[in-house]
Amino acid sequence: AAGVIQSPRHLIKEKRETATLKCYPIPRHDTVYWYQQGPGQDPQFLISFYEKMQSDKGSIPDRFSAQQFSDYHSELNMSSLELGDSALYFCASSALKGEFANTGELFFGEGSRLTVL
Amino acid sequence: DQQVKQNSPSLSVQEGRISILNCDYTNSMFDYFLWYKKYPAEGPTFLISISSIKDKNEDGRFTVFLNKSAKHLSLHIVPSQPGDSAVYFCAANTGTASKLTFGTGTRLQVTL
Repeated sequence: AAGVIQSPRHLIKEKRETATLKCYPIPRHDTVYWYQQGPGQDPQFLISFYEKMQSDKGSIPDRFSAQQFSDYHSELNMSSLELGDSALYFCASSALKGEFANTGELFFGEGSRLTVL
Repeated sequence: DQQVKQNSPSLSVQEGRISILNCDYTNSMFDYFLWYKKYPAEGPTFLISISSIKDKNEDGRFTVFLNKSAKHLSLHIVPSQPGDSAVYFCAANTGTASKLTFGTGTRLQVTL
């Protein structure tokens, strides 16, 4: 079965640079979530989108922005990168409504590891 | 403000024995609880869940117990296998397919 696809898997950037992470949800899933996991920490919710509209917002810095496109893929844009942005960034998807709606579980991609030097 | 807490950062259990992972939460609005398993360099994988209207859910070797009055849940793995060695995250949400709030994780090591 198709899973959540994230790219790139690894990314190295310098301070003050910009990075873009991409996420392709499971087909027919209508909701996408972004999480950030720092070293030794639990995943922290950043932002989510339902049907291409922002549905919830967590601890996402103002330097970050995200959107969901018409094909349901999502991109997380990070600007003015700081050393503290080095983390694993997970995308997850779920089906909120419709015949494929699930009961609450989110399906995660393998993550994109961002290293800021 | 850690709304979901896993107070044991690590746990070591012998193969064949029972592994018990604990989780406490503070937000009484949570109504759905999930356990995820995470291997290094991989994303969290859904394991088992329980709705707040139940107190037990079982799936093969995995059983989750929920004590709403104590705001406590636990994951039992019986019998434990070496392949169960991973980090286990407890998570909760307040509605179907809404964002998850994760605990800090417990690293389980199943030894031979």
